[in-house]
Formats: sequence, structure tokens, C-alpha cells
Amino acid sequence: AQRVTQPEKLLSVFKGAPVELKCNYSYSGSPELFWYVQYSRQRLQLLLRHISRESIKGFTADLNKGETSFHLKKPFAQEEDSAMYYCALRKDSSYKLIFGSGTRLLVRP
Amino acid sequence: GAVVSQHPSRVICKSGTSVKIECRSLDFQATTMFWYRQFPKQSLMLMATSNEGSKATYEQGVEKDKFLINHASLTLSTLTVTSAHPEDSSFYICSAVRQGRESGEKLFFGSGTQLSVL
Repeated sequence: AQRVTQPEKLLSVFKGAPVELKCNYSYSGSPELFWYVQYSRQRLQLLLRHISRESIKGFTADLNKGETSFHLKKPFAQEEDSAMYYCALRKDSSYKLIFGSGTRLLVRP
Repeated sequence: GAVVSQHPSRVICKSGTSVKIECRSLDFQATTMFWYRQFPKQSLMLMATSNEGSKATYEQGVEKDKFLINHASLTLSTLTVTSAHPEDSSFYICSAVRQGRESGEKLFFGSGTQLSVL
């Protein structure tokens, strides 16, 4: 079954600390994975996708097929990073997405 | 950037009435839009795929007669919750696929509609 798991509901860190938001997936084919972010009172927006291999706002994520993971990382968290983060798996060519349950990141001053 | 407008942002209705939610792509054409449902503190669950000019395809367990989807134009998809009941109260989110010649496909989300059925 296709599934995205985000084990942490809440992750609280201090400003300047490293951050890792975990995401594991279950998918029989070749996955395409995304991280979406939702800031307070704003809509969901794309943060990054694994095929782009880019760094957005200091965040990176590497697809590890062996561990079926796509963890989101940032070496030094900022207060403005506080938001809800969703890991998502593209189900097929139609852009259907399966979302994880989300992790709320709270960066404290 | 591309914008997807969703309206209304919040609606309260009586049990038994129908509610229509609109999703518009403001600066691009979208042949495909998606409707999601999100319960408090839970993930987004895909309800259906809205295809311009053809019938919507529904995910398993979603009642097509309950959640009517119409995608009559390249910029508008509507979701109508028919004969709404309190258990239909939820946050509904639409998304639209933008095809870009250089940037490829990208998905953009509406701001969501909070439906409360009394």
C-alpha cells in the first residue's frame, strides 16, 4: 500500500539548532517525493521536490531508497521556519498526492 | 506566482442543505484540479480528481453523489456537498496543476474552505 509516514506531530527546537523532520514512505514503484509547508494562516505551498535536488530557504532533503526515507533537514533553524510541514508522495502521472500527517515545527527564540 | 482562489473561505450551513465551493486558477489554465479534505490535526485526504470537460474520478470510499464535482471550464472547478450533515464538517482544499513549458508541472493550492454543518 502507498503510504507516507511522519512520525513526529510536533518538533520543537531553539533558534540556530539543527532540524530534521522525518518522512518515510511505502511505494512499490519509483517514487516522486515532495515537502510542502504551511505557514500560519497561509495556504499550502511547495518547499522542495526530490527530483530538483535543490535547497530552498536552507532546507534540503535527500531521497534514500534503501531506507525509504525523505527526511527534511536544515542546519540552523530560524524562527520564521515555524510552520506545518507535510511530506507527500506523488501517486501517479496525474499529480495525485498522498500526504503524511504533518509535523509542526516550532522554533523558539 | 500562480494563484488558486478558493471561495468561500468559511461557510456555516444547516443540516440538509447543499453547499458549493469554488476553486479558480486565476492566471493559468488547469485541466486537472484536485479536491482534498482535512480533519483537525490530520492529514489531507484526496477526495477526487476534477477533469475539465469530463467526469471527476473519485477515490475509494468517497460518495460521488454526495460530493458533486463540476469542472466546466479550464479555470473553474466546483465541489458541491449535497444534503450536508454534521459529519461533513471539515476543511476542504483544492489544488490545480499548472503546466509549464520550462518549469514543468507544478501544483498550486487554494487557501481552503472550512465547512461547518449545524
